[in-house]
Amino acid sequence: DTEVTQTPKHLVMGMTNKKSLKCEQHMGHRAMYWYKQKAKKPPELMFVYSYEKLSINESVPSRFSPECPNSSLLNLHLHALQPEDSALYLCASSQSQGFLRESYTFGSGTRLTVV
Amino acid sequence: AQTVTQSQPEMSVQEAETVTLSCTYDTSESDYYLFWYKQPPSRQMILVIRQEAYKQQNATENRFSVNFQKAAKSFSLKISDSQLGDAAMYFCAYRSANTGNQFYFGTGTSLTVIP
Repeated sequence: DTEVTQTPKHLVMGMTNKKSLKCEQHMGHRAMYWYKQKAKKPPELMFVYSYEKLSINESVPSRFSPECPNSSLLNLHLHALQPEDSALYLCASSQSQGFLRESYTFGSGTRLTVV
Repeated sequence: AQTVTQSQPEMSVQEAETVTLSCTYDTSESDYYLFWYKQPPSRQMILVIRQEAYKQQNATENRFSVNFQKAAKSFSLKISDSQLGDAAMYFCAYRSANTGNQFYFGTGTSLTVIP
């Protein structure tokens, strides 16, 4: 299995809802990432889990809450989002965080719309 | 801070022709990697090619090659014999130990392939 699987592929939620995005990989990678991508813009890093330890981009609002139940799973919990949070949310993984040469394996993303 | 600039928001190429996408970057570091990622409508980011700053020889991957000019801080991507499946958003990315091993992405170039 050489894929990063993200579910759901599309999500529409209201500003008072609570929802979660899920990301899964079975490549034995020990680092996983959440990115946010607005239309026609590059991905922006939100969170990094390396060996199940979290690193936070401090500009990310607290209404986004990551969780790493185990080394294969990464969740992003969403609560009280704003319309400007509508974006494509990409998950990625890599063998480790430490090798510059290493590329990431990306999922196909969750298209989130906040209404 | 490192910056990555892609000055061509959109490019087009005739099928079977050659196209070059430009990328410049700003850094004071000597050890880093440069990457080109492709993001087709399927939304998944896919590695196209990578280059280590210490290697003078330009990287090639089948129809894809780079022109790496370290002194000029330029890293262009050449796509030969363009195919319809090459149509995508292309992101140039920089990565070094001083960026916490994270990627800095350029703003992207949208490539259209004309049949």
